[in-house]
Amino acid sequence: SQQGEEDPQALSIQEGENATMNCSYKTSINNLQWYRQNSGRGLVHLILIRSNEREKHSGRLRVTLDTSKKSSSLLITASRAADTASYFCATENGGSQGNLIFGKGTKLSVKP
Amino acid sequence: DGGITQSPKYLFRKEGQNVTLSCEQNLNHDAMYWYRQDPGQGLRLIYYSQIVNDFQKGDIAEGYSVSREKKESFPLTVTSAQKNPTAFYLCASKSSRNTGELFFGEGSRLTVL
Repeated sequence: SQQGEEDPQALSIQEGENATMNCSYKTSINNLQWYRQNSGRGLVHLILIRSNEREKHSGRLRVTLDTSKKSSSLLITASRAADTASYFCATENGGSQGNLIFGKGTKLSVKP
Repeated sequence: DGGITQSPKYLFRKEGQNVTLSCEQNLNHDAMYWYRQDPGQGLRLIYYSQIVNDFQKGDIAEGYSVSREKKESFPLTVTSAQKNPTAFYLCASKSSRNTGELFFGEGSRLTVL
């Protein structure tokens, strides 16, 4: 079952620009998480935002959560070529025994 | 260093053969998970285990089997009953039952010839 849907599917920007990725979901959540995946590698956790939080920062990352619209956004500021990767949102629902449901991801390409 | 180790990284199999993918963690996590990832797709949950000697089916368990005899180990067997087994398989673990981030291994890519 797919819960989160990222938008856009692919994003290509120049180094130094900001990258914004969006995630929409369908049911109420306990928290929403963002992960990064380099090509052919495992996923790495970036940030977790709880349902009672509206915004969270971690370094160059800024995540917002709007539970009324069932959506979240991930902003990467001053992007670098090393940020090139796929980014996934994942939601944890109340009845899911703590299991995460992942979206299909946004493929970000940062050109030097 | 603590982490999750998956092996092998690449695996080729002939149709009709069972294969077992290894997943070992030394993070002392109770919960472990197996996901399947197809090109351009998100992760789909195959099986998960929240405690030793117990596991549950995920969304796409058909054609797969698992065991959890030790806290550190959660091997996945892809059986011949799995009709389209070529995929990237990811193992993950989590420290608490209900909240928190997942820690992933580096994945195993299975190709059926």
